[in-house]
Amino acid sequence: QSVLTQPPSASGTPGQRVTISCSGSSSNIGSNTVNWYQQLPGTAPKLLIYSNNQRPSGVPDRFSGSKSGTSASLAISGLQSEDEADYYCAAWDDSLNGHWVFGGGTKLTVL
Amino acid sequence: QLQLQESGPGLVKPSETLSLTCTVSGGSISSSSYYWGWIRQPPGKGLEWIGSIYYSGSTYYNPSLKSRVTISVDTSKNQFSLKLSSVTAADTAVYYCARHRRTVTTAGWFDPWGQGTLVTVSS
Repeated sequence: QSVLTQPPSASGTPGQRVTISCSGSSSNIGSNTVNWYQQLPGTAPKLLIYSNNQRPSGVPDRFSGSKSGTSASLAISGLQSEDEADYYCAAWDDSLNGHWVFGGGTKLTVL
Repeated sequence: QLQLQESGPGLVKPSETLSLTCTVSGGSISSSSYYWGWIRQPPGKGLEWIGSIYYSGSTYYNPSLKSRVTISVDTSKNQFSLKLSSVTAADTAVYYCARHRRTVTTAGWFDPWGQGTLVTVSS
């Protein structure tokens, strides 16, 4: 029962484009920026997208983020086997004096 | 290159206090643009923010954990610490520390993260 809602799973074949959605509310995504984290199996999360659509240095441009209203999306084009991981969205929530909230995570499988 | 490393007991008894330390290397914990945060992940589940601290000692916590959490900083050792009291099995998780970048216009983001440490609550 995460504050931000993500599909539990997604899949695609190599070379395909996949998108992962993240739905929130006016107190989080609707009024603050969204970040995305990639967690490869057995490792710590890694920042993938910040401020809705900015890529940190070293993140391939195959990864892109967008936000509209109270929802956000992560798109991965040219899917590769090494993209198989869990993906989490996160945003600041203005309620209760403010706190960070995360999505429940989406497990991406490369078929 | 900035690195963070969590340390502390891997096993804590129910009702006791969980204590972890994060050591920052390759950069100063006193940098003005950054907070320092704790995030946890129960086995097989998602991420939960615990709280963050500025080098001055200013803190803010997850409202759901606030009554049990204390985060402190030791700038002389380039470390910050987490204490979570009255733990139960529900507090079993991998605990991560991370640098928390805040900007004038956004709440920021967490980057980089430590490798994480598993803490099990069990008698």
